[in-house]
Amino acid sequence: GAVVSQHPSWVICKSGTSVKIECRSLDFQATTMFWYRQFPKQSLMLMATSNEGSKATYEQGVEKDKFLINHASLTLSTLTVTSAHPEDSSFYICSARGRETLTPYEQYFGPGTRLTVT
Amino acid sequence: AQSVTQPDIHITVSEGASLELRCNYSYGATPYLFWYVQSPGQGLQLLLKYFSGDTLVQGIKGFEAEFKRSQSSFNLRKPSVHWSDAAEYFCAVGGGGFKTIFGAGTRLFVKA
Repeated sequence: GAVVSQHPSWVICKSGTSVKIECRSLDFQATTMFWYRQFPKQSLMLMATSNEGSKATYEQGVEKDKFLINHASLTLSTLTVTSAHPEDSSFYICSARGRETLTPYEQYFGPGTRLTVT
Repeated sequence: AQSVTQPDIHITVSEGASLELRCNYSYGATPYLFWYVQSPGQGLQLLLKYFSGDTLVQGIKGFEAEFKRSQSSFNLRKPSVHWSDAAEYFCAVGGGGFKTIFGAGTRLFVKA
C-alpha cells in the first residue's frame, strides 16, 4: 500500500516551453502533497505544500508563477514548470500524506521526475 | 530552528562489514525522526522511523537506528552490509508546520 507515482519519469524540453509533472497517490487519498527539488548530489529542497482543494503554500524563494501547483483531487497533484530555462533542470520529487497516517510527518515518495531543459 | 546534520558526506565499507551512519538533529521537543534511502534516479524509501517508545528502532532491509536524546542523535546501523545497500541515505526530522527537514545525505559505497 501507500504507492505514489509520478509521470513522466523523465522529460526533455526546450527553453521557453512549459512542462507538467503529475503526482498520483494510487491506493490512498492524499490530503497533502509536497513537491521537492533535488540538485545533483544534494538533499531535497521543499518547494511547496498543497492541500486538496486549496492553494499551494510555497517556500521562501520559490517562484509561484514559475512553478504552478494544482491539487485538484485527493489523488492527483500537478507541478507545471512554466517558461522553463536550463537552470530549472533538476530532479523533482513529490510525496503524499493521507488521512490514515500515524503522524503528521509520515509521507510517501514518488519515484521522481528528471527534467532537462535544453 | 530545526536542523539535521549528517557529518559524513560519503562512507565506504567492505561487503559484510558493519555500518553506522551518523545523524544529529536540533529540535526543541520530542522529535519525529526518519531514515530514508535513495537509489540513483529514484525517489526515497522509508527505512525506519521513531516517534516514541523503545529507542532502538528496527527497520526494513536489516537496518536499525537508536535514538539518543542526550546526544541528539539518531544513528543508523546495519551489522552486515550487502552490495545492494550502496545508495544515498537521508536522515530527517519532522519540523514546524508539519514539514520534514532532511539532512544533506550520506553516500554509501560498498566495496567487494
